[in-house]
Amino acid sequence: GAGVSQTPSNKVTEKGKYVELRCDPISGHTALYWYRQSLGQGPEFLIYFQGTGAADDSGLPNDRFFAVRPEGSVSTLKIQRTERGDSAVYLCASSITGGTEAFFGQGTRLTVV
Amino acid sequence: AQTVTQSQPEMSVQEAETVTLSCTYDTSESDYYLFWYKQPPSRQMILVIRQEAYKQQNATENRFSVNFQKAAKSFSLKISDSQLGDAAMYFCAYRRRAAGNMLTFGGGTRLMVKP
Repeated sequence: GAGVSQTPSNKVTEKGKYVELRCDPISGHTALYWYRQSLGQGPEFLIYFQGTGAADDSGLPNDRFFAVRPEGSVSTLKIQRTERGDSAVYLCASSITGGTEAFFGQGTRLTVV
Repeated sequence: AQTVTQSQPEMSVQEAETVTLSCTYDTSESDYYLFWYKQPPSRQMILVIRQEAYKQQNATENRFSVNFQKAAKSFSLKISDSQLGDAAMYFCAYRRRAAGNMLTFGGGTRLMVKP
């Protein structure tokens, strides 16, 4: 596709459940980023992939959060034992290596009830 | 650690008028980028303008321009001839040059445009 695609657009889950959020970056973009945006705040960095490997995962809040990018393209953010505090918009962005512009998707709004 | 602060939660401007959004940041780095992103209700972050710290000249993109004051660590966005489509959340962001696109964002300013 022409832009970064994130699915689902919205996800409602029950507390304690497991969820997966998908990001399909722009074709050819080797760098991929996940951000979390809580209500009324700016996005916060979670994890950065260069190719298949996580180059920096310092923003992951705890070990319930995990992300993969097995083939260097699509990435999945996985959240175990969801808590109500995990409710937020999860944004994905991609860029070329060394590029100064990150292209964002429209995010997944996760609501934990 | 770097921090980005936007002190104006909301701003309002009359259509066709000019408005300035403020941003300050804190860093010990000397080589970095600064950005302004627009986030409409669709949630997608759209790059408005970027500034490289080593460039003294302020960046300009059509109706959008910045006032970059490196010593003061200030980076304001000026929108001229405001249009209804400019209404959105605006976020100031920072990244170190060598840090890929790992961005640190401010808390945002909601811009309302009155017809």
